[in-house]
Amino acid sequence: LAKTTQPISMDSYEGQEVNITCSHNNIATNDYITWYQQFPSQGPRFIIQGYKTKVTNEVASLFIPADRKSSTLSLPRVSLSDTAVYYCLVGDGNSGYSTLTFGKGTMLLVSP
Amino acid sequence: ETGVTQTPRHLVMGMTNKKSLKCEQHLGHNAMYWYKQSAKKPLELMFVYNFKEQTENNSVPSRFSPECPNSSHLFLHLHTLQPEDSALYLCASSQGGRTTDTQYFGPGTRLTVL
Repeated sequence: LAKTTQPISMDSYEGQEVNITCSHNNIATNDYITWYQQFPSQGPRFIIQGYKTKVTNEVASLFIPADRKSSTLSLPRVSLSDTAVYYCLVGDGNSGYSTLTFGKGTMLLVSP
Repeated sequence: ETGVTQTPRHLVMGMTNKKSLKCEQHLGHNAMYWYKQSAKKPLELMFVYNFKEQTENNSVPSRFSPECPNSSHLFLHLHTLQPEDSALYLCASSQGGRTTDTQYFGPGTRLTVL
């Protein structure tokens, strides 16, 4: 069971690039890394998923080093509306859902 | 986001009441989930249904009773709840039942137990 560790909170300013790192030292060979975003009083929303190297979509990029023991979610030029909690999840698609936990996430606060 | 809808959005109930939360997904997915999110706590997975069959029950007290009549609808029946059950209850769905499948969440039901 791959546990994840993220910073509790981060602060940034509008227009800056934000990088949130997640540690998952005991990630298994078949595990994928998924990031979700949650605004207050709303359900989480999928951002990006990856297995290795780099994945990019219209919202973010996900960097995964060769050893896969960590991953970094990169948000380019954040705005005030990016203020939210960001969750890193690790799962292999075959294990039971009891192994998929959202954790406490990282609270990102973007200021003007 | 209208793919997953939840009703009601807010619910206040006494400890002796019986109420139900409803979730409906319009995405053609086969798996549905109930989560609980208490103030300042992580999301807690409660139940998982895959093709209408319950595949996960994370030691949830029996005062919470799920029902999944078909792949598009999920209910959470509540009875004799406690004040500590006050929380945001989130429903989600995914295409399949794998933990790597993207989950689509509803807006949640804010439950207050008096």
